[in-house]
Amino acid sequence: KAGVTQTPRYLIKTRGQQVTLSCSPISGHRSVSWYQQTPGQGLQFLFEYFSETQRNKGNFPGRFSGRQFSNSRSEMNVSTLELGDSALYLCASSLFAGGENYGYTFGSGTRLTVV
Amino acid sequence: DAKTTQPPSMDCAEGRAANLPCNHSTISGNEYVYWYRQIHSQGPQYIIHGLKNNETNEMASLIITEDRKSSTLILPHATLRDTAVYYCIVRGTSGSSNTGKLIFGQGTTLQVKP
Repeated sequence: KAGVTQTPRYLIKTRGQQVTLSCSPISGHRSVSWYQQTPGQGLQFLFEYFSETQRNKGNFPGRFSGRQFSNSRSEMNVSTLELGDSALYLCASSLFAGGENYGYTFGSGTRLTVV
Repeated sequence: DAKTTQPPSMDCAEGRAANLPCNHSTISGNEYVYWYRQIHSQGPQYIIHGLKNNETNEMASLIITEDRKSSTLILPHATLRDTAVYYCIVRGTSGSSNTGKLIFGQGTTLQVKP
């Protein structure tokens, strides 16, 4: 079956712009989480959605937001981009809320570069 | 902060068992130990998880000490494709508000050598 699909794979944006990243979970999965990975901070949790509701939120400023649609697809948005937002953004999906029992399946990520 | 401590790096000869340790001395009774790995430029991959009993699947075995303060991930016959960063993560069971919030530490970089 198809894995977690993230689009686009690569993105270059200018400081001050905003960006929207998309994630299509594995068919049937209702939980979607987002992570930011940078060389300095490693993998950091952004937020988790389950059945269109945000269950958990990490320690990121309000410029980072997300949503989940009725088909479980998710988007995350970053407004007023800063150079420090350059990172690999990873989406993960799971059958159950919280990745219960089977863990999360991660996508290959979107590489965002802010210039 | 991550609730686990792992050595930053390890080497293993191809074909031999790779034993990756993890300390989680502050683990609570309802918290599971999960292992993920990340091969360069890819998203993390789920390997295995356990609560208190030892677990085995097609990828690896997980040995959890009786006091649950540490665990070891065992790759029985390491191959070059097992070279990756391995993350040990502690997370709560269902009902806990933080079950979906995986807190990754720095992990262990395993280098499998021919």
